[in-house]
Amino acid sequence: EAGVTQFPSHSVIEKGQTVTLRCDPISGHDNLYWYRRVMGKEIKFLLHFVKESKQDESGMPNNRFLAERTGGTYSTLKVQPAELEDSGVYFCASSQDLIGLRPGDTQYFGPGTRLTVL
Amino acid sequence: AQSVAQPEDQVNVAEGNPLTVKCTYSVSGNPYLFWYVQYPNRGLQFLLKYITGDNLVKGSYGFEAEFNKSQTSFHLKKPSALVSDSALYFCAVRDSPGGSYIPTFGRGTSLIVHP
Repeated sequence: EAGVTQFPSHSVIEKGQTVTLRCDPISGHDNLYWYRRVMGKEIKFLLHFVKESKQDESGMPNNRFLAERTGGTYSTLKVQPAELEDSGVYFCASSQDLIGLRPGDTQYFGPGTRLTVL
Repeated sequence: AQSVAQPEDQVNVAEGNPLTVKCTYSVSGNPYLFWYVQYPNRGLQFLLKYITGDNLVKGSYGFEAEFNKSQTSFHLKKPSALVSDSALYFCAVRDSPGGSYIPTFGRGTSLIVHP
């Protein structure tokens, strides 16, 4: 079974440019989550999709970030325009069931996209 | 509110020695606790979890963790470290019942095992 994949693995852009990150969850996983880790800090939740619908986007930092999951399969996270503080590693995770319906439902994480904004 | 702390940015240990990576938490109810590991250029991998029951939880790659309610801790341990254990380790917590279904992660602890 293929795991969660993310593309690209690294992206270096200049301030003001646009970047789009992609996440392909494990096949059949309705739940998809985006997280971000700024260097040396905690992994912070950004948002959660159930199929194509946004279940929780309370962690999205501002309106420069736009996440989509058309068709309920892969998801994209667009940052436009990028700022210096957007640098970090963006993780995607997926789960078969909504974590919390059963205690300890496990999320499966992708390798992350390292974004550097210069 | 739920929170988790990993007080050490880095832990150094010699191969063959026991290792401990510390984690403390704060929740309103009962905690669900997790450890994840991230090897270089890889995603976070689930190691183990505590939901209820035995305070000593055994997980992948010979790791175990002990839930201590009085000290609100969930330290990760391994009796004999391997160089291949060198990685970034994250502790996470969820509050229950009725808390956020999204886990809160710590800052991560870099484990370096020296040959």
